[in-house]
Amino acid sequence: EAGVTQFPSHSVIEKGQTVTLRCDPISGHDNLYWYRRVMGKEIKFLLHFVKESKQDESGMPNNRFLAERTGGTYSTLKVQPAELEDSGVYFCASSQDASNYGYTFGSGTRLTVV
Amino acid sequence: AQSVTQPDIHITVSEGASLELRCNYSYGATPYLFWYVQSPGQGLQLLLKYFSGDTLVQGIKGFEAEFKRSQSSFNLRKPSVHWSDAAEYFCAVGDPYTGGFKTIFGAGTRLFVKA
Repeated sequence: EAGVTQFPSHSVIEKGQTVTLRCDPISGHDNLYWYRRVMGKEIKFLLHFVKESKQDESGMPNNRFLAERTGGTYSTLKVQPAELEDSGVYFCASSQDASNYGYTFGSGTRLTVV
Repeated sequence: AQSVTQPDIHITVSEGASLELRCNYSYGATPYLFWYVQSPGQGLQLLLKYFSGDTLVQGIKGFEAEFKRSQSSFNLRKPSVHWSDAAEYFCAVGDPYTGGFKTIFGAGTRLFVKA
């Protein structure tokens, strides 16, 4: 089966611009997560979708970040406007059953804001 | 608040030598515990997990980890390291009690393997 796909793999944008990251989960996985790793620090939870609903968005840093999952399939994470501190690697993961933490991670999108 | 500490930012071992990566966690009860590995250009891959039962857990690629409640530790070990094990390793905890099923990660330990 295809894994979790993220694109772009890399993005370099200027401060103040908008960037949209996309994640395609494994087909049939209702649970989709976004995580972020900034400056080589911990990987931090951003949010969790169950189908198209936001189950937990407690990790979203501020209102410049908007995540959507229309139709419960792929998800997008938009950053608008981007700031320097948003640079990092954004990971997406999906799972069939949230309770056993059986995540499959994508390879991430490396975002650089200059 | 839950937290995960990986005290070693990077470790270098010789190929064929044994490996132990340290992990300590802070949590009020017994959390779910995980080790992930990230090779260059790859996503995070689950090596092993502990939910309950036997405190010595076997994982993929010859790795094992031991849960020690008294030390709040979950160290990862491998008896003989291969050059292909060079990667970054993340310890993580999950909170099964408060819902949400999010995972808290440590900052990672980068493993270098020398010939």
